[in-house]
Amino acid sequence: NAGVTQTPKFQVLKTGQSMTLQCAQDMNHNSMYWYRQDPGMGLRLIYYSASEGTTDKGEVPNGYNVSRLNKREFSLRLESAAPSQTSVYFCASRASGRGTDTQYFGPGTRLTVL
Amino acid sequence: QQQVKQSPQSLIVQKGGISIINCAYENTAFDYFPWYQQFPGKGPALLIAIRPDVSEKKEGRFTISFNKSAKQFSLHIMDSQPGDSATYFCAASEKNNDMRFGAGTRLTVKP
Repeated sequence: NAGVTQTPKFQVLKTGQSMTLQCAQDMNHNSMYWYRQDPGMGLRLIYYSASEGTTDKGEVPNGYNVSRLNKREFSLRLESAAPSQTSVYFCASRASGRGTDTQYFGPGTRLTVL
Repeated sequence: QQQVKQSPQSLIVQKGGISIINCAYENTAFDYFPWYQQFPGKGPALLIAIRPDVSEKKEGRFTISFNKSAKQFSLHIMDSQPGDSATYFCAASEKNNDMRFGAGTRLTVKP
């Protein structure tokens, strides 16, 4: 039982390049989330998926797209990376239903855009 | 603008002391208030959480105090230990989908 896994752990991109961050969870959770973490800003929600087949924008969605490939996997795509997207990206998942509010986070992907 | 304001930004406490971190929120629709602990190079992990129908929740050395009328909540760490040194985030959400985090508090517990 690996929990939430993310790949890659580190990535360096040049401005304008594209890439996809992968996230998978093996806890059979319905909801999945993508956050970015920047110094002094806490974590900010980019997109979330409340269930397979649905996605919704969070606080900072501009410049990103997501795909909920199946119940296990939720990917984040940067189509044309910008230096402002340099950050640490975390994926999280959560079971649904009352009393199951805990979000479980992955280890993060550290992205640098030059 | 941040919907959840956290203070202080950093905190240094002696071993055995009490660590107190405060948060204030604006959205009265928030119904879930968790605290997360994050060690360097790791993802955040849930420490303790509270709902607005109670004013206090205690789990071991960790206590959340919640003041609904003031729209404030705080984390108290009793008998702080060097192993508690980490960054702590408060958060708030409405129906737990759009979680809003505070900016974080870096806690250092000196031996």
